[in-house]
Amino acid sequence: NAGVTQTPKFQVLKTGQSMTLQCAQDMNHEYMSWYRQDPGMGLRLIHYSVGAGITDQGEVPNGYNVSRSTTEDFPLRLLSAAPSQTSVYFCASSQRGLAETQYFGPGTRLLVL
Amino acid sequence: GDSVTQMEGPVTLSEEAFLTINCTYTATGYPSLFWYVQYPGEGLQLLLKATKADDKGSNKGFEATYRKETTSFHLEKGSVQVSDSAVYFCALNTGGFKTIFGAGTRLFVKA
Repeated sequence: NAGVTQTPKFQVLKTGQSMTLQCAQDMNHEYMSWYRQDPGMGLRLIHYSVGAGITDQGEVPNGYNVSRSTTEDFPLRLLSAAPSQTSVYFCASSQRGLAETQYFGPGTRLLVL
Repeated sequence: GDSVTQMEGPVTLSEEAFLTINCTYTATGYPSLFWYVQYPGEGLQLLLKATKADDKGSNKGFEATYRKETTSFHLEKGSVQVSDSAVYFCALNTGGFKTIFGAGTRLFVKA
């Protein structure tokens, strides 16, 4: 099992550019989520999904879109990147809900100039 | 609202020293409590958890006890190693679709 994989590992964008952060898991987990990690602020939930075709907003959803067409994949889209979106992004999955153990990917470091 | 407060770092210790990282929480209801660890260049991974008052979570020599009376979940280890150098996150979940994470505490262990 690869667990949770994320691509790319590192990306530099210019303000206004768009991109998609990829996340995939091979554990057949129903629940997936995206977090951003900023210094001194811990992890903040951006969007989450409880199954294919079902997504909802987390704590800081503005500027991000998600979709979940399959159980395995949960991409995060930045439509028009802003410097405030410079961060490290983590995708996570869990089997029975977010209260259970979450499995995290290695992260994507994003720099928006 | 629900929140987690953990001690600021970085914490620097010599190998074989005793470790305590303080964590307190504010929550309605009865949360589950977690410690996650993030090694350099990696994602977070669960270190231990406790789901009710007075439960003790333990793993890899680390321990934490769920103290409802003091709303605390302090992380301890009797003898740290260089390989324990990482960032440690305290977290809670009250059963909904949201896990609240603390800001993280960076630990450096010197040989």
